[in-house]
Amino acid sequence: GENVEQHPSTLSVQEGDSAVIKCTYSDSASNYFPWYKQELGKRPQLIIDIRSNVGEKKDQRIAVTLNKTAKHFSLHITETQPEDSAVYFCAARGVYNTDKLIFGTGTRLQVFP
Amino acid sequence: EAEVAQSPRYKITEKSQAVAFWCDPISGHATLYWYRQILGQGPELLVQFQDESVVDDSQLPKDRFSAERLKGVDSTLKIQPAELGDSAMYLCASSLATSGNPDTQYFGPGTRLTVL
Repeated sequence: GENVEQHPSTLSVQEGDSAVIKCTYSDSASNYFPWYKQELGKRPQLIIDIRSNVGEKKDQRIAVTLNKTAKHFSLHITETQPEDSAVYFCAARGVYNTDKLIFGTGTRLQVFP
Repeated sequence: EAEVAQSPRYKITEKSQAVAFWCDPISGHATLYWYRQILGQGPELLVQFQDESVVDDSQLPKDRFSAERLKGVDSTLKIQPAELGDSAMYLCASSLATSGNPDTQYFGPGTRLTVL
């Protein structure tokens, strides 16, 4: 079945630096890749997503890139702020099950002031 | 802004007892999902409903778990009997998605279950 690997599991950066989180997926037919942010004790919230017909998408300080050939996608956060500290999950949607998202294991990002 | 509602937020129970969780999706969302999130891991889909019909329950331990969405709106997830390994966060999500097209899944706050 579909598998999503996420690295690193923890990431510490200084405020203002950039953070990059990488995911790989196994199902070459996957066509939708959302990223969720989960603060401690709160619900996961979608921060950005990308579909397989697009290579890059940007929203202010957040960008996602997709390499379909290599089955990689990455989250880039620029000019990090302490409020970016949270756990980030990537996910991939397979095409053999309606809307089923397979999540990565999460990256705990800490931004130090 | 409309949100997915879940209750209770926390549940402590003893093993072999029955527990039930409730989810009210965003109004108009046809698709409802129940996920289990073990500490330190990503959410794992247990069951997916399209309106009142189960679309995917391949990861639902059917010997002890059951889920229903009788009127195609709110949903209940039940565990009977609960086991120690069921301790986790149970998340409900909903989306507008109809067949085939990916759409944003909106998550509820979750129910944290502790089985003693």
